[in-house]
Amino acid sequence: GAVVSQHPSRVICKSGTSVKIECRSLDFQATTMFWYRQFPKQSLMLMATSNEGSKATYEQGVEKDKFLINHASLTLSTLTVTSAHPEDSSFYICSARGEREAYEQYFGPGTRLTVT
Amino acid sequence: GQNIDQPTEMTATEGAIVQINCTYQTSGFNGLFWYQQHAGEAPTFLSYNVLDGLEEKGRFSSFLSRSKGYSYLLLKELQMKDSASYLCAVTDSNYQLIWGAGTKLIIKP
Repeated sequence: GAVVSQHPSRVICKSGTSVKIECRSLDFQATTMFWYRQFPKQSLMLMATSNEGSKATYEQGVEKDKFLINHASLTLSTLTVTSAHPEDSSFYICSARGEREAYEQYFGPGTRLTVT
Repeated sequence: GQNIDQPTEMTATEGAIVQINCTYQTSGFNGLFWYQQHAGEAPTFLSYNVLDGLEEKGRFSSFLSRSKGYSYLLLKELQMKDSASYLCAVTDSNYQLIWGAGTKLIIKP
């Protein structure tokens, strides 16, 4: 089956610093990757959609200068949280969609970010 | 607008059957997913329905009625490990997933 990995699984950083989260599709080429954020006891919130080689499309209310997304290859997308604040503490999940089955998304295991 | 509704929380007894309903209103429809999510973990795929009817997969079954904008997830022979949130999601005309808020299922012995 299709496998998506995320790194790191947990990260603690100080307020004002930047954190990079990697999302990789291990056994397929991901033409599209999605970044979600999930606060405790809430559902997934789509932050942005990225297609390989082009700029990400951000959802309304998501600051593109704060959440930098790079989808440089068909197997790697990165999310950088710049100048992190405690309110950015959340569970960040990526998913990837391959070329073969447009309807399905494969989820990474998530990254728990804590900003102190 | 796009909207997906599912109950916030349900409680059931180990060994019993539970049905989790989901109603949706979306711009276009390219299928409906059910995902299971344990606390602190990413969602895992349970089922996908694009045609009307019932899809059975072991202890889990999923039903879809496109004309009614309605789906349910049926869990049989409940086990304690089934305690989790169950997320209903619909792919719209752009194949983007629209998520429900999730149903927290509590299984009691």
